[in-house]
Amino acid sequence: EAQVTQNPRYLITVTGKKLTVTCSQNMNHEYMSWYRQDPGLGLRQIYYSMNVEVTDKGDVPEGYKVSRKEKRNFPLILESPSPNQTSLYFCASSPGTSGNTIYFGEGSWLTVV
Amino acid sequence: QKEVEQDPGPLSVPEGAIVSLNCTYSNSAFQYFMWYRQYSRKGPELLMYTYSSGNKEDGRFTAQVDKSSKYISLFIRDSQPSDSATYLCAMRQGGKLIFGQGTELSVKP
Repeated sequence: EAQVTQNPRYLITVTGKKLTVTCSQNMNHEYMSWYRQDPGLGLRQIYYSMNVEVTDKGDVPEGYKVSRKEKRNFPLILESPSPNQTSLYFCASSPGTSGNTIYFGEGSWLTVV
Repeated sequence: QKEVEQDPGPLSVPEGAIVSLNCTYSNSAFQYFMWYRQYSRKGPELLMYTYSSGNKEDGRFTAQVDKSSKYISLFIRDSQPSDSATYLCAMRQGGKLIFGQGTELSVKP
């Protein structure tokens, strides 16, 4: 089954404690990206990757890091989380950057206290 | 000014009504225009996408793009309670994907 898997799905953490949200896809997609969703703001793109070792900033990259060492994985790293990073996070992948279907993960609820 | 603007609603309609959802955008470089449906904060699912001005129909859904006016619409005919969800427009330029704020739709039986 084609899917994008995120972990953890739910996490409460404390300010400053580094955390990583993993994202894995089993469709051999070149393109992967991360979004955060906040009330009234819709989904905002954090980072995206066009292929292995190629990453670019989206609209809200501050406070986040990513890496793309292999095609299937695209982890999101919060080096020093702050309360304003409390949000619902989605990972997504697609074969390329045309209008292809973008597959979204189920989301990761992150709370920073 | 946001690159993509979408009326957040909420929008409430009776079953069987025609629903019109709209987005405007400012970046003429956008290449692909999409509509997503999202249930209860789950992952968005693609409803329709198009890359040219005009209409595209899929069952009860019609997507319309007017590049000259920088305006896109989604029409839902014969709306059903199961259509109740948040609808998000999205626009793509290369690797960048920009979403509207989402419109919450409720279809009442």
